[in-house]
Amino acid sequence: NAGVMQNPRHLVRRRGQEARLRCSPMKGHSHVYWYRQLPEEGLKFMVYLQKENIIDESGMPKERFSAEFPKEGPSILRIQQVVRGDSAAYFCASSDSVGETQYFGPGTRLLVL
Amino acid sequence: GNSVTQMEGPVTLSEEAFLTINCTYTATGYPSLFWYVQYPGEGLQLLLKATKADDKGSNKGFEATYRKETTSFHLEKGSVQVSDSAVYFCALSGRNSGGSNYKLTFGKGTLLTVNP
Repeated sequence: NAGVMQNPRHLVRRRGQEARLRCSPMKGHSHVYWYRQLPEEGLKFMVYLQKENIIDESGMPKERFSAEFPKEGPSILRIQQVVRGDSAAYFCASSDSVGETQYFGPGTRLLVL
Repeated sequence: GNSVTQMEGPVTLSEEAFLTINCTYTATGYPSLFWYVQYPGEGLQLLLKATKADDKGSNKGFEATYRKETTSFHLEKGSVQVSDSAVYFCALSGRNSGGSNYKLTFGKGTLLTVNP
């Protein structure tokens, strides 16, 4: 009964490179949420997706960030041309329907050098 | 907009001491309230939740009561253990007509250290 899975757990990138973060929701869950945790801050909502649809991306930076949740496979959060300020922990959560309890993955800790 | 304010840490206690971590919120509508716990190097785990006024959430000896009149959801435990050392986050999800009831709004977290 696997929980939410994220990989990689740790990712190091140099400025200007691309970061690709993956999230597999809990079995049976079709709603995925991404949150970002900056150092010594709480988590901030980024985006909410259902299969093949972005429902709400109001928390995503306007440039360089994108997310998808294809019909098959994990959800992907993509950060192009990373900058040092992108260094953070990125958490994915899933739920079995909208408004229900969200279960979190272990997070991907991104470090931009 | 929605916001959560929780007591700043760090909090350091001796084993078997009583724990309170304060949490107050501002929200439109009727939010659900949560406490999540984050152990070192791990993701967030749901500790307890309450979905309406006067509900008490409880789990693993922790309790919190949804107080609408004081807009609070304070976390308590009667006797902490070393294994309770972690960061605790208070959170809410809004629930109002036509609004987004899926966005969790988090407090900044409170680091708890329990010494033997």
